[in-house]
Amino acid sequence: DIQMTQFPSTLSASVGDRVTITCRASQSTSSWLAWYQQKPGKAPKLLIYRASSLQTGVPSRFSGSGSGTEFTLTISSLQPDDFATYYCQQYNTFGQGTKLEIK
Amino acid sequence: QMQLQESGPGLVKPSETLSLTCTVSGGPIRSFYWSWIRQPPGKTLEWIGYIYDSGSTNYNPSLKSRATISVDTSKKKFSLKLSSVTAADTAVYYCARDRRDYGDYFDFWGQGTLVTVSS
Repeated sequence: DIQMTQFPSTLSASVGDRVTITCRASQSTSSWLAWYQQKPGKAPKLLIYRASSLQTGVPSRFSGSGSGTEFTLTISSLQPDDFATYYCQQYNTFGQGTKLEIK
Repeated sequence: QMQLQESGPGLVKPSETLSLTCTVSGGPIRSFYWSWIRQPPGKTLEWIGYIYDSGSTNYNPSLKSRATISVDTSKKKFSLKLSSVTAADTAVYYCARDRRDYGDYFDFWGQGTLVTVSS
């Protein structure tokens, strides 16, 4: 089975910072990868699909890149609404999540 | 705008069968894949399985054949049954539209429903 490893598991940052979250797949099987944002008590929200395609309605400060086994999610300038947990997903497997906290 | 809504009991006894239904509105149910995903408290997301409108299904092997997903396209509903539940099945259960044919992602989600397994 494919394993998805995200790092860091926790990230402390300030409003206005540029942050990057990495997701590594245990094997290279697809160039497709999705990123989700989840806030407490809410369902995950799709941000990025096919590694770099921005879902409709998602702010352009979110971007995704990568291929093979390593993918990244970048938030160019953190806004207060961005503090949440982020998950990557490939095939039927999700990463463990990265909690983005206010510094 | 497509909306999904889970419904079903919030409490299930150990060894019994968990049953949930997802109602789809604001868009078609035909020609799409539909998945169930769960999230134990404080943990990551786990895919349970999917169904296509034709009725074809696929499940997470880790559930050891306990899961069954069915669809009623006329009512725009699909359902999950999980048998022989234990405390480890306590989780928030989500239904989601599954775009594995277009980019391998889940674009619309229900709000989730907490199911607790306890006597």
